[in-house]
Amino acid sequence: IAGITQAPTSQILAAGRRMTLRCTQDMRHNAMYWYRQDLGLGLRLIHYSNTAGTTGKGEVPDGYSVSRANTDDFPLTLASAVPSQTSVYFCASSPTGAAWGDTQYFGPGTRLTVL
Amino acid sequence: GENVEQHPSTLSVQEGDSAVIKCTYSDSASNYFPWYKQELGKRPQLIIDIRSNVGEKKDQRIAVTLNKTAKHFSLHITETQPEDSAVYFCAASSSNFGNEKLTFGTGTRLTIIP
Repeated sequence: IAGITQAPTSQILAAGRRMTLRCTQDMRHNAMYWYRQDLGLGLRLIHYSNTAGTTGKGEVPDGYSVSRANTDDFPLTLASAVPSQTSVYFCASSPTGAAWGDTQYFGPGTRLTVL
Repeated sequence: GENVEQHPSTLSVQEGDSAVIKCTYSDSASNYFPWYKQELGKRPQLIIDIRSNVGEKKDQRIAVTLNKTAKHFSLHITETQPEDSAVYFCAASSSNFGNEKLTFGTGTRLTIIP
């Protein structure tokens, strides 16, 4: 059982390019999340999905989009990358469709640098 | 929305001593408070959590206390060991619709001095 995986591990990207970060879980969790982690700012929620077919905006959604076509996959797309999107991106999942009281399991992260 | 403040941002303690990390939150409706530990280069992992129907919870050397009146909660690590060195994040969420998602504090880098 892999748990939750992310790809790529790291990426250097030119500003203006499109990029999709991949996230896959095999735990059959209903809810999935994308966070960005910046030094001194902790973990900030970008987008989330309570169940397949639904998505919602988090604290910092601008410049990012997501889709949830099935239970296992939750890709994050940067349509036109900018340097302020340089960060470490973590995908997470939790068993039920409601975040309250649910343990979140994090992926290994993707380190993205936008030049 | 919820705002979570965490202090201190860095903390160094001698091995064997205790460490305390404190968080305050703004939304009085928040009722779930987890703590995550992130070792260098690794993913965050849940180490303990507390819900608002209890004031304290312990798991071996780790304990969390909650004061709902003052809207603050704390992580206590006793008999610290080198493997406790990591960044610790507190978080808060509410069961109220629209506020279920976790809001994280900015993290505390704990260093255990051998």
